Amino acid sequence: DGGITQSPKYLFRKEGQNVTLSCEQNLNHDAMYWYRQDPGQGLRLIYYSQIVNDFQKGDIAEGYSVSREKKESFPLTVTSAQKNPTAFYLCASSISIGLSGGPSTDTQYFGPGTRLTVL
Amino acid sequence: AQTVTQSQPEMSVQEAETVTLSCTYDTSESDYYLFWYKQPPSRQMILVIRQEAYKQQNATENRFSVNFQKAAKSFSLKISDSQLGDAAMYFCACRDDKIIFGKGTRLHILP
Repeated sequence: DGGITQSPKYLFRKEGQNVTLSCEQNLNHDAMYWYRQDPGQGLRLIYYSQIVNDFQKGDIAEGYSVSREKKESFPLTVTSAQKNPTAFYLCASSISIGLSGGPSTDTQYFGPGTRLTVL
Repeated sequence: AQTVTQSQPEMSVQEAETVTLSCTYDTSESDYYLFWYKQPPSRQMILVIRQEAYKQQNATENRFSVNFQKAAKSFSLKISDSQLGDAAMYFCACRDDKIIFGKGTRLHILP
């Protein structure tokens, strides 16, 4: 049963603490993404990774960090430097991010999301 | 894509009727892709339909179809025979060198 899983579904954090959100996929996709969704907003890209051991900043990377040690896994750490971390976080993957010189034809498939609340 | 605009924050449609959600976008690229995603109350993002910009024919998936007007940079979604399960947030997205999402349209289905 292929898909993308995110855990936990709900996460609570005290101010000043780092917290890591998990994202795992068994679709054999090369590319993985992290998005943040706020009420009344669309999705905003935090980080993305095209291949193992490589990742790029998205539009709102400040206060976040990622790693891509395995193809299947792309964890996101929300650090204490993130000023307003309460949000819904979505992970996605696609077969590839695109060949050089052109956009990918690949559709992004999303996990169920993690709701992070800072207390 | 530089911007994606969904001008209708909320819409309502009677069950079994047809509704059209609008989307306009801006990109300087000639090769790009357009998507409509559905986000039901579970908050899982589900791909509804995809359109390649180089294709003139409008994409169709069962009750969902698009009206792609490349010159006008318009990409509307038509839902025919609306069902209660269609109630959700709908996001339009444009992908050239990166993907940009609109702010969404919340669709209510009236029984």
